[in-house]
Amino acid sequence: GQQVMQIPQYQHVQEGEDFTTYCNSSTTLSNIQWYKQRPGGHPVFLIQLVKSGEVKKQKRLTFQFGEAKKNSSLHITATQTTDVGTYFCAGHQIYNFNKFYFGSGTKLNVKP
Amino acid sequence: EAQVTQNPRYLITVTGKKLTVTCSQNMNHEYMSWYRQDPGLGLRQIYYSMNVEVTDKGDVPEGYKVSRKEKRNFPLILESPSPNQTSLYFCASSLLSPEGRGLYGYTFGSGTRLTVV
Repeated sequence: GQQVMQIPQYQHVQEGEDFTTYCNSSTTLSNIQWYKQRPGGHPVFLIQLVKSGEVKKQKRLTFQFGEAKKNSSLHITATQTTDVGTYFCAGHQIYNFNKFYFGSGTKLNVKP
Repeated sequence: EAQVTQNPRYLITVTGKKLTVTCSQNMNHEYMSWYRQDPGLGLRQIYYSMNVEVTDKGDVPEGYKVSRKEKRNFPLILESPSPNQTSLYFCASSLLSPEGRGLYGYTFGSGTRLTVV
């Protein structure tokens, strides 16, 4: 079954509003990665978090990895139309490095 | 340019007619994988390969085969395609971390949209 869950499934925001997507795993993850897929495109790697409680920023994007390494979040401040796309989290279970599980994704639409 | 190249981009075929989707990467990545993407189901792993001649099943391997005879190539084979294999397929590759404990970020191919009628 699905190892990594993401919420919400869809999010519609007005340009300038903030956006957050949450990722939850049923098991402890060794790391968490985030990807962005533009409409009609392929997933593109954004960032990887490895340490418990880690926070990383990329311009308007803030990524967090939970203390228990079972959850993560991506927050976008002041969305722009260029942020439109689907955001996926993904990671390895801590005891199984061979398989890599993707969340179901959050589709973000930004109205100008 | 570092990339993963998939071919073809689009394919319409008939039930039962064997097909191969090719995937090649030029980054000397050890790990390669195939995913299918379906609406509402996200990305599901079909097969993966840790290195040459080392392949293993992902979450949805039924109806698919793979091979890894060279490091750069990882073709996906559908011996007898069926309509439920209509999907968007992605090949992806990654370096393995030095300790062998996981992947660095994937580089994805542009995708193959397969329709089986």
